[in-house]
Amino acid sequence: RKEVEQDPGPFNVPEGATVAFNCTYSNSASQSFFWYRQDCRKEPKLLMSVYSSGNEDGRFTAQLNRASQYISLLIRDSKLSDSATYLCVVNLRNFNKFYFGSGTKLNVKP
Amino acid sequence: DVKVTQSSRYLVKRTGEKVFLECVQDMDHENMFWYRQDPGLGLRLIYFSYDVKMKEKGDIPEGYSVSREKKERFSLILESASTNQTSMYLCASTNNQPQHFGDGTRLSIL
Repeated sequence: RKEVEQDPGPFNVPEGATVAFNCTYSNSASQSFFWYRQDCRKEPKLLMSVYSSGNEDGRFTAQLNRASQYISLLIRDSKLSDSATYLCVVNLRNFNKFYFGSGTKLNVKP
Repeated sequence: DVKVTQSSRYLVKRTGEKVFLECVQDMDHENMFWYRQDPGLGLRLIYFSYDVKMKEKGDIPEGYSVSREKKERFSLILESASTNQTSMYLCASTNNQPQHFGDGTRLSIL
């Protein structure tokens, strides 16, 4: 079983739509959680960390559900520029290891 | 702002060649990582290093070695390149978290 699993998509949404991605992780000892954004043929870039209480950054909201072992990313009022692949990342700090999901592809259409 | 620099964006080598990929970070980070990214497989950890001259195998170390002679530099070595090592290679560094990535090296082995 993969450490981190994501729906690969693609999610095709119109501009202005709200879209949500989930990501599940298998190791209950996971301590830190992140969402990265990756544009085609570019490196992953940190979008936001995910905190236990949930956190928001503009149009983006991240949540963590430890009991069910998943994190989510909600994007409101989608822009064309949000089109990218979104990677879920989980860290086991004690082992200094980061586990990446395969990514969820988002296409925002005019 | 953290800067992680990889020596080449694109590289073409021949089967059997010894290939060196260089990564330099300017933030005095303790931890450095080498990943490869392939379609449908996400990022897979090859090796990481948590200090100078220290290295740990990741999930797919076979066919690779690494060198960390200075804190800021982490080199990935393909001892005898093979066509199945054609991939996007990403270097990352961090102290506490999250990871910061270089631009990536798209390596083709012919």
